[in-house]
Amino acid sequence: KAGVTQTPRYLIKTRGQQVTLSCSPISGHRSVSWYQQTPGQGLQFLFEYFSETQRNKGNFPGRFSGRQFSNSRSEMNVSTLELGDSALYLCASSYGGLAGIYTQYFGPGTRLTVL
Amino acid sequence: DQQVKQNSPSLSVQEGRISILNCDYTNSMFDYFLWYKKYPAEGPTFLISISSIKDKNEDGRFTVFLNKSAKHLSLHIVPSQPGDSAVYFCAATSPYTGANSKLTFGKGITLSVRP
Repeated sequence: KAGVTQTPRYLIKTRGQQVTLSCSPISGHRSVSWYQQTPGQGLQFLFEYFSETQRNKGNFPGRFSGRQFSNSRSEMNVSTLELGDSALYLCASSYGGLAGIYTQYFGPGTRLTVL
Repeated sequence: DQQVKQNSPSLSVQEGRISILNCDYTNSMFDYFLWYKKYPAEGPTFLISISSIKDKNEDGRFTVFLNKSAKHLSLHIVPSQPGDSAVYFCAATSPYTGANSKLTFGKGITLSVRP
């Protein structure tokens, strides 16, 4: 089974621009979660999508948004980029039922640099 | 406020010896815990998990111990191998409250296994 894929792997943008990152989950997985990793804050949960609906949300400003398509692929968008948005953005997928324990499997991440 | 803490940023052990990685948490709602390993330029890889109804879980060379009263867990790797050198993240979640997708991570411990 193919793993979680993320595109692009590297991205350089300037302040004020917007960016869209893409994530394809493992086949059969319906939940996609997004995380931001920075040296100072570590790995922080952004949001989770399940069956095209945002099910959980972390403490990030509204500039961070996402969506999920009917094939479970997900995109994350960051508008009006700030220098502090430079980070590794990780996507994770799981079967993601309503409750219970489902291991999350991570993709390799997208390294975003904001200049 | 950091709800999952990995207070030692690094650990160095000799090949063949035991590695013990510690993790503390403050949120009593957490009832499922996971360990992930991360190599540079890759996403975190799931290693092992434990539910709060257990105090120990083993998988090959990896054993996780949970002390609920102390809000402490530890990962034991025996015997340690040079290929185990990576950053190890402790994560916690509350799957039975509908937040199973939201992992709260510690800041990670860099393990170096010396040949």
